[in-house]
Amino acid sequence: GIQVEQSPPDLILQEGANSTLRCNFSDSVNNLQWFHQNPWGQLINLFYIPSGTKQNGRLSATTVATERYSLLYISSSQTTDSGVYFCAVEQNTGTASKLTFGTGTRLQVTL
Amino acid sequence: DGGITQSPKYLFRKEGQNVTLSCEQNLNHDAMYWYRQDPGQGLRLIYYSQIVNDFQKGDIAEGYSVSREKKESFPLTVTSAQKNPTAFYLCASTITRGWGQPQHFGDGTRLSIL
Repeated sequence: GIQVEQSPPDLILQEGANSTLRCNFSDSVNNLQWFHQNPWGQLINLFYIPSGTKQNGRLSATTVATERYSLLYISSSQTTDSGVYFCAVEQNTGTASKLTFGTGTRLQVTL
Repeated sequence: DGGITQSPKYLFRKEGQNVTLSCEQNLNHDAMYWYRQDPGQGLRLIYYSQIVNDFQKGDIAEGYSVSREKKESFPLTVTSAQKNPTAFYLCASTITRGWGQPQHFGDGTRLSIL
């Protein structure tokens, strides 16, 4: 099956710093989602981004499907950004939206 | 407010016991999904259902069972055949069946073995 690799696995930032998280995938995909899992386990949709660039406040994401990677940018990080960031990709199964998740990037933002 | 409700938040199971996790959505979504998350790992698909009275196995279905008798409900039963059930379980849904849909998640149920 498709492999999804995220880097770095762990990241510690001081509040106010910027960061880039990367997601590489081993095969062509139909769609890609970025999620933030907060310390309580809630999984929050950040972006649904099969290709191109999207921005939402301090966050933005870019997917280059032809080169099989996606980037998540976090600017002016805040302590509330702490948690685990997952990317998940969807392949064309023909029948269902089936996501394959990476193992995540664990982000800790300190004061 | 519309959303996905999972209950209970915490669940404890004795050895050899079946337990059922609830997932209810009032989003009028057609498709629903169950995932398992182990510590430090991503999510893995257990079962999914695209329409009432139909469901399909995901990547790790052994030891689990589901039903989809109503559009809004997709309960997951963790059977005694699941030898390592301790995990965080997440339910998700999409507006319609088929691919190309963003998935929306509930808040999860943490299952532990006594």
